[in-house]
Amino acid sequence: DVKVTQSSRYLVKRTGEKVFLECVQDMDHENMFWYRQDPGLGLRLIYFSYDVKMKEKGDIPEGYSVSREKKERFSLILESASTNQTSMYLCASSPQATGEQYFGPGTRLTVT
Amino acid sequence: QKEVEQNSGPLSVPEGAIASLNCTYSDRGSQSFFWYRQYSGKSPELIMFIYSNGDKEDGRFTAQLNKASQYVSLLIRDSQPSDSATYLCAVTGDYKLSFGAGTTVTVRA
Repeated sequence: DVKVTQSSRYLVKRTGEKVFLECVQDMDHENMFWYRQDPGLGLRLIYFSYDVKMKEKGDIPEGYSVSREKKERFSLILESASTNQTSMYLCASSPQATGEQYFGPGTRLTVT
Repeated sequence: QKEVEQNSGPLSVPEGAIASLNCTYSDRGSQSFFWYRQYSGKSPELIMFIYSNGDKEDGRFTAQLNKASQYVSLLIRDSQPSDSATYLCAVTGDYKLSFGAGTTVTVRA
């Protein structure tokens, strides 16, 4: 079974803090993705990576950056957290860029 | 026009009935189609995928694909209260999956 883990289930941060969300997958997948999910807005792609040290912007990259130093690990960074970044953050991995994606359990981030 | 559109919910069905979920997509070049189930507060879970026109059955779930009409559907037979969830349709695009907004299904006992 594919396993995707995320560093925290719940996180509370203050405005202006730097926030790191980490994702690890154990299936040797090339592709990894970060989404946020908000009521009424569905899943929105923030960034994705198709190889180590490679990254591509998704639909809503503003205010975020990513890092992929190892194949199994993909980190999402909020340089200066803002209240409008309060959301559920979901990481996913996939053997192909347009193949089935397997999601981690999600991190519910609250920025106060 | 949204890339992937799902029938608006919520959809309420009695236990034992068939729940029918619909999805249309705009990119005629899409090749792969997926259905995810998401329980409240949880992450999406892949339940079905379909690549060819026609029907694909897996237990109580049947996915149907019609590429000419750019339409994919999911049928849940003998619906159970445990099927109460939001179902997301996902379709391949240029470099990513495009997800629909989801249809929430409630199965009444």
